[in-house]
Amino acid sequence: DQQVKQNSPSLSVQEGRISILNCDYTNSMFDYFLWYKKYPAEGPTFLISISSIKDKNEDGRFTVFLNKSAKHLSLHIVPSQPGDSAVYFCAASPNYGQNFVFGPGTRLSVLP
Amino acid sequence: EPEVTQTPSHQVTQMGQEVILRCVPISNHLYFYWYRQILGQKVEFLVSFYNNEISEKSEIFDDQFSVERPDGSNFTLKIRSTKLEDSAMYFCASRVEQLNTEAFFGQGTRLTVV
Repeated sequence: DQQVKQNSPSLSVQEGRISILNCDYTNSMFDYFLWYKKYPAEGPTFLISISSIKDKNEDGRFTVFLNKSAKHLSLHIVPSQPGDSAVYFCAASPNYGQNFVFGPGTRLSVLP
Repeated sequence: EPEVTQTPSHQVTQMGQEVILRCVPISNHLYFYWYRQILGQKVEFLVSFYNNEISEKSEIFDDQFSVERPDGSNFTLKIRSTKLEDSAMYFCASRVEQLNTEAFFGQGTRLTVV
């Protein structure tokens, strides 16, 4: 039961270019979405979030876009840096729910 | 910057033994979580805890698992009789409010059951 999907297990991008990571969800009760970054042997680190009342949220180099009708969100990183190389997890939280449902992750490699 | 801390970083235990994983959430946070990640798989929700009781749990969190907040700072996950398939990274997380806020994760405890 994959409620949160990240269909690209990996992505390689040249330094300075844009990285676009995608996420799809199936549960229409989800109303809060987050992106986490994870390095090996570390816990997930929060990057950026978006509530379902918005369609865009920006924080520095990171922008998250939400398309509710398509049940799709994406994370844009511009410009990409080698330090951005990590696994990126999309997570979603349902109305009045407390837990997050994580996607399987996308491994981003930013090449110098 | 406040952070969630977990101990130990790595625990090796024999099958059938009890283990306790410890976490110190961020001090003003009210909601506490345990997640786990089996190697090569996704991060899975185990349990959430608020106001000294479990508020939500997944089907993974069976009778072998329990959580406790024994004092004002620690939050523990106990596995009563470990199985090989319990081997995973266990992450503790905390959150200041329930709605529309991010959860902060600890560095994780790698549990290896042999």
